[in-house]
Amino acid sequence: QSVLTQPPSVSGAPGQRVTISCTGSSSNLGAPYDVHWYQQLPGAAPKLLISGNMNRPSGVPDRFSGSKSGTSASLANTGLQPEDEADYYCQSYDSGLRTWVFGGGTKLTVL
Amino acid sequence: EVKLVESGGDLVKPGGSLRVACAASGFTINTEWIAWVRQAPGKGLEWVGRIKSQRDGGTTAFAAPVNGRFTISRDDSKNTLYLQMSSLRTEDTAIYYCTIMRGPGANDYGLTWGQGTLVTVSS
Repeated sequence: QSVLTQPPSVSGAPGQRVTISCTGSSSNLGAPYDVHWYQQLPGAAPKLLISGNMNRPSGVPDRFSGSKSGTSASLANTGLQPEDEADYYCQSYDSGLRTWVFGGGTKLTVL
Repeated sequence: EVKLVESGGDLVKPGGSLRVACAASGFTINTEWIAWVRQAPGKGLEWVGRIKSQRDGGTTAFAAPVNGRFTISRDDSKNTLYLQMSSLRTEDTAIYYCTIMRGPGANDYGLTWGQGTLVTVSS
């Protein structure tokens, strides 16, 4: 059982918009600690996608965006590409556990 | 280019010990906070522990499931970090990643990740 809750899967056709939610609590996202997002392509290591709720590292396509409000956060992809098919994880800090916490991951399928 | 390369993963019996390494290139590893994150087969990511930079004291912290069994150390001459695991359990089976921690205070995140090394605990 992950501290942050994500839907197990989402899907969409190429070019469509999809969002992935991440729900936490008052000891993490609501504290308020930042949320960060990672993309994990099949068989690869995680890669930072969004930091500090909404900041895209250099090289990340601008079709990816992040937002956060209260104890919830979202990752949006505004124009799905076949290469976006991957697992996505949210991450924050939890003041009770005093560790990083992750969501269980969401598998994005491009139809 | 900043790069991390893990190595040393192996098959170990329950109760055994293993040391995995995280070799850095393109930067000096003792100037960064480094975290270990693991991923059990087919499962999500789990924070294992971290070591602060030398400037910040080099102290370590661990997640509850591994506290007292795992340690982190550095060999500055080799620009390499180590995760020493002992009293291994089957539930420690995972790919172990090291990552550079970046960001303000507790709002930090994993900036650059290695490719991971597989540790299998089985009789």
